[in-house]
Amino acid sequence: AQKITQTQPGMFVQEKEAVTLDCTYDTSDPSYGLFWYKQPSSGEMIFLIYQGSYDQQNATEGRYSLNFQKARKSANLVISALQLGDSAMYFCAMREGHRGGKLIFGQGTELSVKP
Amino acid sequence: GAGVSQTPSNKVTEKGKYVELRCDPISGHTALYWYRQSLGQGPEFLIYFQGTGAADDSGLPNDRFFAVRPEGSVSTLKIQRTERGDSAVYLCASSFRNTGELFFGEGSRLTVL
Repeated sequence: AQKITQTQPGMFVQEKEAVTLDCTYDTSDPSYGLFWYKQPSSGEMIFLIYQGSYDQQNATEGRYSLNFQKARKSANLVISALQLGDSAMYFCAMREGHRGGKLIFGQGTELSVKP
Repeated sequence: GAGVSQTPSNKVTEKGKYVELRCDPISGHTALYWYRQSLGQGPEFLIYFQGTGAADDSGLPNDRFFAVRPEGSVSTLKIQRTERGDSAVYLCASSFRNTGELFFGEGSRLTVL
């Protein structure tokens, strides 16, 4: 079964607007972590933001915020004030358990920011 | 170096040949991960080291794939009898602790002709 699902293969959004990238996950472990990564055309994976399953508040990092809805098992990434440099692939990932280990990635969403 | 370093950045080989891909993690990072990424897909987990030992090798597709990390720092991913389906970008990542975020290298692009 797919552990991480990203249903939006591609999105085109205007510069300076905001966008929500969807991510749903599936786990029976009460302890888990959710991550978002950006992959520009250069190929390197860049860490953006992290949300722990026990965190009471939604994570924020600058223009990035994570809309964490635990009951719905969703962890959507919100990017505000879009810039042309935000054009990239965005991946949601999950790590299960409190002891650490591998991240499982979704299929990604390609974001294109238009001037 | 400041980041995760992977060599070679590009490798073209012929079907049936043996290939080694090297990863030099960020200094002090105890956890090291190998992933494989095909075009248009998310990274697919292969193996994860905590120190010198493989803590989870459940993602290795078959016994042609093997990875080592003998001194707890540099790791080598070894692929025997390469097949065309092995063509992908192989990503290495490290983290300071096994519960933290992963820092990725730029990847090694493998092409099997």
